[in-house]
Amino acid sequence: EPEVTQTPSHQVTQMGQEVILRCVPISNHLYFYWYRQILGQKVEFLVSFYNNEISEKSEIFDDQFSVERPDGSNFTLKIRSTKLEDSAMYFCASSDSGAVKDTQYFGPGTRLTVL
Amino acid sequence: SQQGEEDPQALSIQEGENATMNCSYKTSINNLQWYRQNSGRGLVHLILIRSNEREKHSGRLRVTLDTSKKSSSLLITASRAADTASYFCATDASGNFGNEKLTFGTGTRLTIIP
Repeated sequence: EPEVTQTPSHQVTQMGQEVILRCVPISNHLYFYWYRQILGQKVEFLVSFYNNEISEKSEIFDDQFSVERPDGSNFTLKIRSTKLEDSAMYFCASSDSGAVKDTQYFGPGTRLTVL
Repeated sequence: SQQGEEDPQALSIQEGENATMNCSYKTSINNLQWYRQNSGRGLVHLILIRSNEREKHSGRLRVTLDTSKKSSSLLITASRAADTASYFCATDASGNFGNEKLTFGTGTRLTIIP
């Protein structure tokens, strides 16, 4: 069964460093998302992406964040200058517009630790 | 309370019993989805119910939706130890096209006692 994959599974970085989190959505999906979950808290929406542009972003998604679909398969989240409070699990998700429209399938997540 | 609040926050039952979790939300929705998360792991999609549906089944799962009360319930029948996890509801707010951001609830931590 197709699934969303994410790399790396765990990323440790120093405060102020740039990180890129990578995702490979399900191949025929058209909508892509990033969410994050700070330890012990709710899953929070960051950004949605469709037709090669951001369709919606949350207040969390400030100028330090960016997303890109550099080729036909990858979808990346970049944090330019990480802060301690960026430590969280980051989930990528994708969905389709077909028969299973709206169902968002999540990847296993990348645990980001900022020291 | 915030969009997507589950209750109870924690539930412990004996293996074989049924588990019921509830979710309430505030705004109009296109659909409501339930997810499972094992400790520190990813989110596994369980079931999606649309705003014009009232009940849906998938294996041992039964989901109901009451849009007049803005609430949903997830029933797991004949629970197993492997069902131990956190369960979240997530709503996709009303819009024209769907595939919009999900707003997650706080989750119910379910523990199945063997």
